Amino acid sequence: EAGVAQSPRYKIIEKRQSVAFWCNPISGHATLYWYQQILGQGPKLLIQFQNNGVVDDSQLPKDRFSAERLKGVDSTLKIQPAKLEDSAVYLCASSFGGSDYGYTFGSGTRLTVV
Amino acid sequence: KQEVTQIPAALSVPEGENLVLNCSFTDSAIYNLQWFRQDPGKGLTSLLLIQSSQREQTSGRLNASLDKSSGRSTLYIAASQPGDSATYLCAGSSNSGYALNFGKGTSLLVTP
Repeated sequence: EAGVAQSPRYKIIEKRQSVAFWCNPISGHATLYWYQQILGQGPKLLIQFQNNGVVDDSQLPKDRFSAERLKGVDSTLKIQPAKLEDSAVYLCASSFGGSDYGYTFGSGTRLTVV
Repeated sequence: KQEVTQIPAALSVPEGENLVLNCSFTDSAIYNLQWFRQDPGKGLTSLLLIQSSQREQTSGRLNASLDKSSGRSTLYIAASQPGDSATYLCAGSSNSGYALNFGKGTSLLVTP
């Protein structure tokens, strides 16, 4: 089966600019997650979708981050305006159902804010 | 909020050694657990998934166990190889519908 697709692979922007990341999960996976991984840290959950509904966005900085999952398939994560501390790898993962099915991660998008 | 601690933070061993990586959770109410491998600049590759009804999983030279009473998990790597060099992350969920919480990882270097 095809894996989780993410694009772009790398992105460099100046602070206060906007940026968007795209994720296409494995076909049939109802649950989609966006994680932020700062260098030297473990991934931190930003938002969890179940189909096209939000299950958990408690750690999403809503003043600058937004995410959507139209039609319950692919998803976009946007940052506007970006700050230096947003430099990180943004990982998308999907799961068939709950965590008992395991997660599959994409390769991630490495964002550098200068 | 569930906090995950991984010990040691870094480990260097000569090729051929057996080794154990440790993971502990502040809330011992762990529903299930997944171990991942991360190579530099790459995404996460799933190694082992211990489902809610399980206590142990094995794949090749890897064995992971979960003690729910103590909220601790170990990843055992037998006969380590230089290709095993990577960061190993453990992640646990408190319930089926909850997302995984990750530790910071153990950086492993296996020298020839």
